[in-house]
Amino acid sequence: SAVISQKPSRDICQRGTSLTIQCQVDSQVTMMFWYRQQPGQSLTLIATANQGSEATYESGFVIDKFPISRPNLTFSTLTVSNMSPEDSSIYLCSGGQGPYNEQFFGPGTRLTVL
Amino acid sequence: AQKITQTQPGMFVQEKEAVTLDCTYDTSDQSYGLFWYKQPSSGEMIFLIYQGSYDEQNATEGRYSLNFQKARKSANLVISASQLGDSAMYFCAMREEEGTSYGKLTFGQGTILTVHP
Repeated sequence: SAVISQKPSRDICQRGTSLTIQCQVDSQVTMMFWYRQQPGQSLTLIATANQGSEATYESGFVIDKFPISRPNLTFSTLTVSNMSPEDSSIYLCSGGQGPYNEQFFGPGTRLTVL
Repeated sequence: AQKITQTQPGMFVQEKEAVTLDCTYDTSDQSYGLFWYKQPSSGEMIFLIYQGSYDEQNATEGRYSLNFQKARKSANLVISASQLGDSAMYFCAMREEEGTSYGKLTFGQGTILTVHP
């Protein structure tokens, strides 16, 4: 199984600034995923991050707005750039596969943009 | 493209009774996985149960069971003997398990379950 941690757990940011969210896994995982959960909504996949290659973005998400790094098999970052209030969401990273085929999630980063 | 539909925005159940949360899905893949996650107000995603598309028996994990009807493309979650701590948002999700999109999860809209004492 994998334990995933995220930093920061929450933040309040000003419009126009950027925030980098860190995701650390306690074991090596091939793929990591970044999800966004807007208030009262479901989770939407932003991008898939593989080590050693460019992240693959889902429709509606672009690299300039959500640059992702994946320097090794246990770590990834997601940057939310030039933030607006519409970016206020919970951002979750995910990866790994457990003995019951479960996919693990980090605790989430709760972002508020003023 | 994969799609997950949860038609029940909210459900209420009396403590100690059973409740069924509905989930239907649409995919052209042969190999896929179906999940149920619980999300309490704290925001963490708690894995409940998994069903593989090739599994012939319905999955069970303690008080949770999955009523998998492949021909109908439904994967309903049954919670038996509801507890007050079961009050949360419940998400049905599907994972692609073949090809270059392996591992991607598509989530339904979620169902808020409220357990009354």
